[in-house]
Amino acid sequence: ETGVTQTPRHLVMGMTNKKSLKCEQHLGHNAMYWYKQSAKKPLELMFVYSLEERVENNSVPSRFSPECPNSSHLFLHLHTLQPEDSALYLCASSQPDRDGEKLFFGSGTQLSVL
Amino acid sequence: GQQLNQSPQSMFIQEGEDVSMNCTSSSIFNTWLWYKQDPGEGPVLLIALYKAGELTSNGRLTAQFGITRKDSFLNISASIPSDVGIYFCAGQTETSYDKVIFGPGTSLSVIP
Repeated sequence: ETGVTQTPRHLVMGMTNKKSLKCEQHLGHNAMYWYKQSAKKPLELMFVYSLEERVENNSVPSRFSPECPNSSHLFLHLHTLQPEDSALYLCASSQPDRDGEKLFFGSGTQLSVL
Repeated sequence: GQQLNQSPQSMFIQEGEDVSMNCTSSSIFNTWLWYKQDPGEGPVLLIALYKAGELTSNGRLTAQFGITRKDSFLNISASIPSDVGIYFCAGQTETSYDKVIFGPGTSLSVIP
């Protein structure tokens, strides 16, 4: 397995459910990101982790909770979401000390909140 | 805050035609990047530009970093059906890995 892998690819959940999105990167990168992609809108940066420490939290509601147990894995824990949270959630990684602006994305998790 | 504008929003072209799209901002950027997103996939980096005036090619793709540092364009020559997708520009104002801003994208459809 190479690159950035996200699971699940699709997720449907109710507003009272708790679920988690998983991301794994096999590129040896030190930084990992969560982005939200809604229709007709630019990608929105949600969280950044560098060397397993959170370095950015762009005013994301607390119903989204990230976790980075090591530099290869990133999770996004979801609870009591709203219908407007339905979107494609993309994970990315990069190597900050070498071409850090070049992001490598996973295929995303398409989330639908009912 | 900083914002990128992309035009056109969408385009439908005939296979074999050349394509041009651009990205503008009111802010100055140090780096411009162009990504392509295929349906059902994440964005993939196509070209990165680091100097004002820089012109870089990647196969049939050519991108330029505007002289004012506030714009960039992407050209695709002799389009083929697999060029279909959404093309995003992204800019970075600081040498900080978490300061990449994305545009809203240009959707390209190629008619065989």
